[in-house]
Amino acid sequence: GDSVTQMEGPVTLSEEAFLTINCTYTATGYPSLFWYVQYPGEGLQLLLKATKADDKGSNKGFEATYRKETTSFHLEKGSVQVSDSAVYFCALIPRGGADGLTFGKGTHLIIQP
Amino acid sequence: KAGVTQTPRYLIKTRGQQVTLSCSPISGHRSVSWYQQTPGQGLQFLFEYFSETQRNKGNFPGRFSGRQFSNSRSEMNVSTLELGDSALYLCASSLGGTANTEAFFGQGTRLTVV
Repeated sequence: GDSVTQMEGPVTLSEEAFLTINCTYTATGYPSLFWYVQYPGEGLQLLLKATKADDKGSNKGFEATYRKETTSFHLEKGSVQVSDSAVYFCALIPRGGADGLTFGKGTHLIIQP
Repeated sequence: KAGVTQTPRYLIKTRGQQVTLSCSPISGHRSVSWYQQTPGQGLQFLFEYFSETQRNKGNFPGRFSGRQFSNSRSEMNVSTLELGDSALYLCASSLGGTANTEAFFGQGTRLTVV
């Protein structure tokens, strides 16, 4: 079946550091790819998405590019802030949506001032 | 506009009992999906309802069931609770289904089985 693999962390960075969270996937066909963020005590919020190869999703300074050749969707941000501390989930959904969203295990990001 | 509302936020039940969780989607959204989140297994898809019909189902035993009403509100039921059912249960609503439109998540219901 489909699967998503991401580094689990915790990942600890200093404020203004460069962030990369790796995400690779296994899926049949051409899924849509997502990054979700979960702040403490809250549900998931969609951060960005890409629906086809070479698409770049971006939001709030975060970016990720859909790389079909490497089956990857790495999340990057040039300069992180303390408020970015959260758990980040990479996810996919196949064309047609059967089986819902498949999530990675989540990466706990801690940004220190 | 109001977000996705899940009730109750916290629940403690005893092994063998049953439980019903509720989800009110964003107004106008016709699709509701349910997910289970545990430290060990992460987030796993339970099922999706669209216009009162179950459209997709994950790999969970028959003890887990759901339904959707004509106003799009959804309930999830777990019968004969086991300790391993302790989890955060998240509901997501979307306009036309998760495959095609953005999913908005509620804050979840934290179920503890003792």
